[in-house]
Amino acid sequence: AQSVAQPEDQVNVAEGNPLTVKCTYSVSGNPYLFWYVQYPNRGLQFLLKYITGDNLVKGSYGFEAEFNKSQTSFHLKKPSALVSDSALYFCASSLGSARQLTFGSGTQLTVLP
Amino acid sequence: ETGVTQTPRHLVMGMTNKKSLKCEQHLGHNAMYWYKQSAKKPLELMFVYNFKEQTENNSVPSRFSPECPNSSHLFLHLHTLQPEDSALYLCASSQSQGSSYNEQFFGPGTRLTVL
Repeated sequence: AQSVAQPEDQVNVAEGNPLTVKCTYSVSGNPYLFWYVQYPNRGLQFLLKYITGDNLVKGSYGFEAEFNKSQTSFHLKKPSALVSDSALYFCASSLGSARQLTFGSGTQLTVLP
Repeated sequence: ETGVTQTPRHLVMGMTNKKSLKCEQHLGHNAMYWYKQSAKKPLELMFVYNFKEQTENNSVPSRFSPECPNSSHLFLHLHTLQPEDSALYLCASSQSQGSSYNEQFFGPGTRLTVL
């Protein structure tokens, strides 16, 4: 079985400050890990993924995430937050070539001007 | 049209009605998915179709009936729903090739309200 945890329901950060949205996973084997973003009244948009290789993954809109196997974490980061980054962020995992994504419960990010 | 489209965007129905949700992907993908997104809960995978064949059914009640006539279209037929079925229903697609896994692309969703 696999699970994904996003320990924070809500994250607030001031514009221009660095942001971190946390994700931990519990997967036996080598996971594929993803971040998605959802804006109000929209579907989920893919941000980035980790399959293998470099632990630091760069994605869309200046976001990046670091895969940490020892801590089983895949935190999403951005050096300087924008008000337009305010949205709901989902971490997800899958096992190998399995098509099923297991999603976390989501973290609402609010960037304050 | 590009990406993944869903119609209608909003739907209000009574418990005795029959309605259908439609999803269309313009990405040439070979797998399609239905998800349910309820408030305060993780996304729930409902159905997976690969090359038009249903490969996953995650214990979804029979009042939800999927149909995949071809690799570009996916329907979700609804009948005798319950108020707790009110949610955002998301469609997604992806391209799967052997052991290679590619990310899923989502539609904007249908906001369903069951009265």
